[in-house]
Amino acid sequence: DAMVIQNPRYQVTQFGKPVTLSCSQTLNHNVMYWYQQKSSQAPKLLFHYYDKDFNNEADTPDNFQSRRPNTSFCFLDIRSPGLGDAAMYLCATSRGGNTEAFFGQGTRLTVV
Amino acid sequence: AQSVTQLGSHVSVSEGALVLLRCNYSSSVPPYLFWYVQYPNQGLQLLLKYTTGATLVKGINGFEAEFKKSETSFHLTKPSAHMSDAAEYFCAVRMNSGNTPLVFGKGTRLSVIA
Repeated sequence: DAMVIQNPRYQVTQFGKPVTLSCSQTLNHNVMYWYQQKSSQAPKLLFHYYDKDFNNEADTPDNFQSRRPNTSFCFLDIRSPGLGDAAMYLCATSRGGNTEAFFGQGTRLTVV
Repeated sequence: AQSVTQLGSHVSVSEGALVLLRCNYSSSVPPYLFWYVQYPNQGLQLLLKYTTGATLVKGINGFEAEFKKSETSFHLTKPSAHMSDAAEYFCAVRMNSGNTPLVFGKGTRLSVIA
């Protein structure tokens, strides 16, 4: 089945140690998104790629970076994770910029 | 700018009772509207969407929603709640053209009591 796959499902990292979260998709969608979701809150958009064009939300900390080497893969890099970065990170894709988004299962990040 | 308001952060219903989750939106142009469901430690799953055409849309798991432009609402309903419906529900909006990300409401947690 075509889908959005996030690896790993659970990630534990040390305070200040760089960590990378991965997302792949078999939907061939041109738009990919990264959301941060903290407990009992709505997903918060960090950034998205429309094709190769990177769109950063104004309030996304510089600590968060992203890479999209090709259509299928997108990575979220957290350069120096703090305790406040512990959250569920959701990757999503869409065909075009105004259709529904398809979400992966998420990666739950714990910072110790 | 678009926004979504979900009335009630927590709704509790008895098994077999009607489910009604409220969503109101604000948008300067006719929007596209979505309902997503999220189970614990899972991603978001699309329940249904409204883009154009029929204002009553049917989704998965017996849910439906009606787009009411005059009320700027897109409430989610299900005639008879099942225990498996217990989850977090998010209403979302985006513009009907261009490259605009989804804007989510704060979510409503649905509890189903046996």
